[in-house]
Amino acid sequence: NAGVTQTPKFQVLKTGQSMTLQCAQDMNHNSMYWYRQDPGMGLRLIYYSASEGTTDKGEVPNGYNVSRLNKREFSLRLESAAPSQTSVYFCASSGERGGNEQFFGPGTRLTVL
Amino acid sequence: GQQLNQSPQSMFIQEGEDVSMNCTSSSIFNTWLWYKQDPGEGPVLLIALYKAGELTSNGRLTAQFGITRKDSFLNISASIPSDVGIYFCAGLYGNKLVFGAGTILRVKS
Repeated sequence: NAGVTQTPKFQVLKTGQSMTLQCAQDMNHNSMYWYRQDPGMGLRLIYYSASEGTTDKGEVPNGYNVSRLNKREFSLRLESAAPSQTSVYFCASSGERGGNEQFFGPGTRLTVL
Repeated sequence: GQQLNQSPQSMFIQEGEDVSMNCTSSSIFNTWLWYKQDPGEGPVLLIALYKAGELTSNGRLTAQFGITRKDSFLNISASIPSDVGIYFCAGLYGNKLVFGAGTILRVKS
């Protein structure tokens, strides 16, 4: 099992450009999450999907959209990137225990110039 | 929203020393989790705690779920160089995790 995979690993954007971060899990988990990690601030939840076909806002959703494409895949889209969105983005998934015991991907390091 | 106060922010360890860190909150949590993050990697789950007062070990790591459900601590015994990294506590509130800001463990030179 690959667990949670994310692409790309690194990305540099110019202000105003758009891009989609991809995430997939092969653990048959129902719930998936997108976080951003900034120095000294831990991980903050952007959006989550409790099950296929549903998505909900987290703590910091502004400037982002998500799509739960199927049970395996959960993508995060930046429509018009801003320097404040420079961060490391992590995708996670969890199974029967809901939000408990989330398993994380390796992250995407995004820089917006 | 819910906030977790994690301390210390950073600490230096010498091989063989015991290490302690903790998380406190003004809110009650139903589950406490402890994660470790190595540079360039995603967080990895170390220990999960589900009941107030629960004490759980994973090798040299021991974590406790505070009796008030508002705090948790993590101990690492006889630290080794590969223990360096960032340790995060997380509390489950509803179906979402709230993370502390992390404790950075470094090696004394």
